Order: sequence, then structure tokens, then C-alpha cells
Amino acid sequence: DAGVTQSPTHLIKTRGQQVTLRCSPKSGHDTVSWYQQALGQGPQFIFQYYEEEERQRGNFPDRFSGHQFPNYSSELNVNALLLGDSALYLCASSLWGRANQPQHFGDGTRLSIL
Amino acid sequence: SQQGEEDPQALSIQEGENATMNCSYKTSINNLQWYRQNSGRGLVHLILIRSNEREKHSGRLRVTLDTSKKSSSLLITASRAADTASYFCATGWGSNDYKLSFGAGTTVTVRA
Repeated sequence: DAGVTQSPTHLIKTRGQQVTLRCSPKSGHDTVSWYQQALGQGPQFIFQYYEEEERQRGNFPDRFSGHQFPNYSSELNVNALLLGDSALYLCASSLWGRANQPQHFGDGTRLSIL
Repeated sequence: SQQGEEDPQALSIQEGENATMNCSYKTSINNLQWYRQNSGRGLVHLILIRSNEREKHSGRLRVTLDTSKKSSSLLITASRAADTASYFCATGWGSNDYKLSFGAGTTVTVRA
């Protein structure tokens, strides 16, 4: 039973570029949440996708956008990259996505901005 | 700003000892969860305690919740080298809330 998978594992970009990160949820899960984790900090909620729509959004600018596909997989897009976007981006999946249930996390994509 | 704050920021113990870390939060919650993160990896769910529960056990883990003090503690008994990791508390608000709010974490090092 595959868990949450994310790709790529590492990525290096320069300021101003755009990036797309991908996530496949755990089998049987229908909800994907994205988190940003800066070095030495806890994860910060970016947004959640359910039934192919953004259901809730954290305090992140419009440069951060996403998509969910009919097979429940998801993409996170970040435009006009800034140095401060360097972080570990984590994807979490669950059934229905409510915050009163455990989330299953992938190992993340390490994004470095030069 | 983050909802939860863990204390201490870092903890170093000998194998076999117990490790205790605390989490304080600011607003009312529906539940509180603890997660473990090994270096360079994703988070692994450890235990969830609901706001109407006071204590919960899972193997060598014991979690308490004091809603009057807005605090929780995680106790790891008889620690092992494999327990070396960062531990995070995360709070959830309610049934129509989908966001987990994490603290900055406690880094635990278990010395052999």
C-alpha cells in the first residue's frame, strides 16, 4: 500500500522562475493539503484541495496556486520565486481532510532558490 | 504566527531515559496531534487527543491535555536511539476547519 509520494525530491531554481511540485495521495485518500516548512520551523499550511477545488487557504500570496486532478493527485505551483520561498514543501493526504483526523505526509520536496 | 509552541526547543537524553516535551497553544481547539519528523523526512502521525480527553497512551508514548491551561505534554518512556527526531504538536479547530497549525518543534537527541 503506497503512502504519499512527492516529486521531485530536490529542486534548484533562481529568483523569478516558476516551479511545479507534485503529490500523489495515499491509496484511499481524497484530500491533499500542502505545507511549507522553513529550516528549523514547523510546517505552515498553504492550502487544501478536495473534490478538485481549493477548500481552505492559509496566509500565502496568490503566487502560490494549486490543482487537484480526478485521480486525487495534486500540484503546487509557485510563480515569481523569491529567496524566501526556499523551504521543504510537504504534501499531506487524508480522507475528507478534516483537521480532527491524522494526516499522512510525504517526504517532501526540498526547494532551493538561488 | 504559529498556534503551538513547544518547550524545550531541544532535548538531549541517554538511551533508556524518559523524554518529556510540552506544547502550549493560544486559542480553543477541537483536538491536538503530535507528529515526529526524522531528519530530511516527512512527518509521521503519533497520537491524536480530543479536547474532551485528558490522557492518551500509545505504546511508549503518553500524551496529556489540559484545556484550562491550553497545554499538552508528550512523554516518551524508555527512549531508544531511533527516537532521535523532531517532535511537533499540531492543533485543529473544528469540524469545518481543515488546517493543522504546527508549533516550531522540539528536537530530541537520544545518546547511546
